[in-house]
Amino acid sequence: GENVEQHPSTLSVQEGDSAVIKCTYSDSASNYFPWYKQELGKRPQLIIDIRSNVGEKKDQRIAVTLNKTAKHFSLHITETQPEDSAVYFCAARLSISNFGNEKLTFGTGTRLTIIP
Amino acid sequence: DAGVTQSPTHLIKTRGQQVTLRCSPKSGHDTVSWYQQALGQGPQFIFQYYEEEERQRGNFPDRFSGHQFPNYSSELNVNALLLGDSALYLCASRRRGQSYEQYFGPGTRLTVT
Repeated sequence: GENVEQHPSTLSVQEGDSAVIKCTYSDSASNYFPWYKQELGKRPQLIIDIRSNVGEKKDQRIAVTLNKTAKHFSLHITETQPEDSAVYFCAARLSISNFGNEKLTFGTGTRLTIIP
Repeated sequence: DAGVTQSPTHLIKTRGQQVTLRCSPKSGHDTVSWYQQALGQGPQFIFQYYEEEERQRGNFPDRFSGHQFPNYSSELNVNALLLGDSALYLCASRRRGQSYEQYFGPGTRLTVT
């Protein structure tokens, strides 16, 4: 089955600087890669995602890049703010053969701390 | 527009007991997936329901079972609880006709003593 590795496990960044979190996946058939942000005691919140037919996607201060050949994808947060402090999870999903194939395989998470 | 809702919020059970957790998907969503999130870990896929049938299952024993109702809401049942079943149980739903984004509920924190 799919295996997703995520690093670093913890990351401290000065406010205003950039943060980068990296993930690798094992199954080349994976075609969808979402990123979730989870604040303490809260639900995972989808912040950005990318499909395998796209190499990069950006939404304001957040961007995700995908390298299918190397089977890795990264989350980039620019101009970090204190409210960016949270645990971030990457995930991967195998391509859909029929409707109802929803399994997301998650990484182990990165605890991001923004230092004021 | 209400998001994904789950009940109860917290639950304490004793080893050997059985528990039922409930999930209501977002309006317009028809697929529900269940995940177990142990403390400090990423969510682990349990199973997924679509059209009232279990469509896909992760590496969880048969003690974990579920159901989806005609209104798309879902239940997760766990029998013969073990201490290791203590976790946050999350459900996620996907919008009808759309095949990618999944949105999570707030979860049910289950503690087994």
